[in-house]
Amino acid sequence: KNEVEQSPQNLTAQEGEFITINCSYSVGISALHWLQQHPGGGIVSLFMLSSGKKKHGRLIATINIQEKHSSLHITASHPRDSAVYICAALETSGSRLTFGEGTQLTVNP
Amino acid sequence: NAGVTQTPKFQVLKTGQSMTLQCAQDMNHEYMSWYRQDPGMGLRLIHYSVGAGITDQGEVPNGYNVSRSTTEDFPLRLLSAAPSQTSVYFCASSYFAARRGEKLFFGSGTQLSVL
Repeated sequence: KNEVEQSPQNLTAQEGEFITINCSYSVGISALHWLQQHPGGGIVSLFMLSSGKKKHGRLIATINIQEKHSSLHITASHPRDSAVYICAALETSGSRLTFGEGTQLTVNP
Repeated sequence: NAGVTQTPKFQVLKTGQSMTLQCAQDMNHEYMSWYRQDPGMGLRLIHYSVGAGITDQGEVPNGYNVSRSTTEDFPLRLLSAAPSQTSVYFCASSYFAARRGEKLFFGSGTQLSVL
């Protein structure tokens, strides 16, 4: 069993829909990253969370340390949001990241 | 700032050949790391460094060497390439990973094929 699990693996939505991607982890962590990987392969860091909630534009990330769970929400989804979204848990030493396998999101116009 | 510069973008090797993947950052980041990405497995940590002169192994270090002689550069060396090392490789850096709130910056990736 992977230490970091994402769901769903694949997600197809219509433009304008509210999207939720989930990430659960089984290890103790100090923080959690959400990353976006575009079809061209480049990886961009969206958020780093250690508690609570962060918002950037239409993206919202939340984390519940006690429940070992984080969610990434996209409001008013758009075809340009189509990408792979990856969560990564930073272990408590602060030196190692463990990645989920990613969620392939496709937003249709 | 150029960010994280990773070269080459593509490389084809024959089994047994050696090569070095270059990674450089101009943001004065203490933390640098190398990952490989394989289908269905997600990104996996190969080696990482928390500062010049300090390196440590990640999840899949076998067949790879690293060194960190300067803050800016963190090259990854394949000593004797094997087909199992066919993958996409990413370099990433940040201020020290334990410092909360710091994002990771990724290089553009290297597609490596070992024949």
